[in-house]
Amino acid sequence: EPEVTQTPSHQVTQMGQEVILRCVPISNHLYFYWYRQILGQKVEFLVSFYNNEISEKSEIFDDQFSVERPDGSNFTLKIRSTKLEDSAMYFCASSLGQPNTEAFFGQGTRLTVV
Amino acid sequence: AQSVTQLGSHVSVSEGALVLLRCNYSSSVPPYLFWYVQYPNQGLQLLLKYTSAATLVKGINGFEAEFKKSETSFHLTKPSAHMSDAAEYFCAVSDRGSSNTGKLIFGQGTTLQVKP
Repeated sequence: EPEVTQTPSHQVTQMGQEVILRCVPISNHLYFYWYRQILGQKVEFLVSFYNNEISEKSEIFDDQFSVERPDGSNFTLKIRSTKLEDSAMYFCASSLGQPNTEAFFGQGTRLTVV
Repeated sequence: AQSVTQLGSHVSVSEGALVLLRCNYSSSVPPYLFWYVQYPNQGLQLLLKYTSAATLVKGINGFEAEFKKSETSFHLTKPSAHMSDAAEYFCAVSDRGSSNTGKLIFGQGTTLQVKP
């Protein structure tokens, strides 16, 4: 069964450092997403990506964040200068395209900023 | 802005008992509605979804949910809980409309505990 894969599963980084979270969406999917879940809080939308550009982003997704689909298979989330409050579980998701189709989620990357 | 409310952050039931997890949405136009489950150290898995067909939706693992427009609700039920149902459950919505990107708005989540 096709699945969304994320690497690494855990990432510890020092405050101010850049991190790149990687995702491989399901191959025939067209829409890609990043969500985050701060410990004990709800899952929050960060950004959606379609046709090689951002289609929507939340207020959380400020200039410190960027996304890229560099090679047609990987989908990355970069945080340029991490803050303590960026510590969270980050989920990548992908879907075929229509809003009512299922979004498939990866297992997440737990980012800890120290 | 669209919002989702899940009443009860923790629900505890005995094995074999009815499971009822509550979800209410805020928009006046019924959105697409989803229930996801998250087992420990795993990602989110779709249980079921409501788009615009039957108001009673059946999902995996014996779960079902009923869309009630008059109550703006989409509560999740299972007639008989199993120990393996212990997990975190998230209700989510996605707006209809041509500009929709498929973004999901999640509720706070409900932890289901199943006691032997």
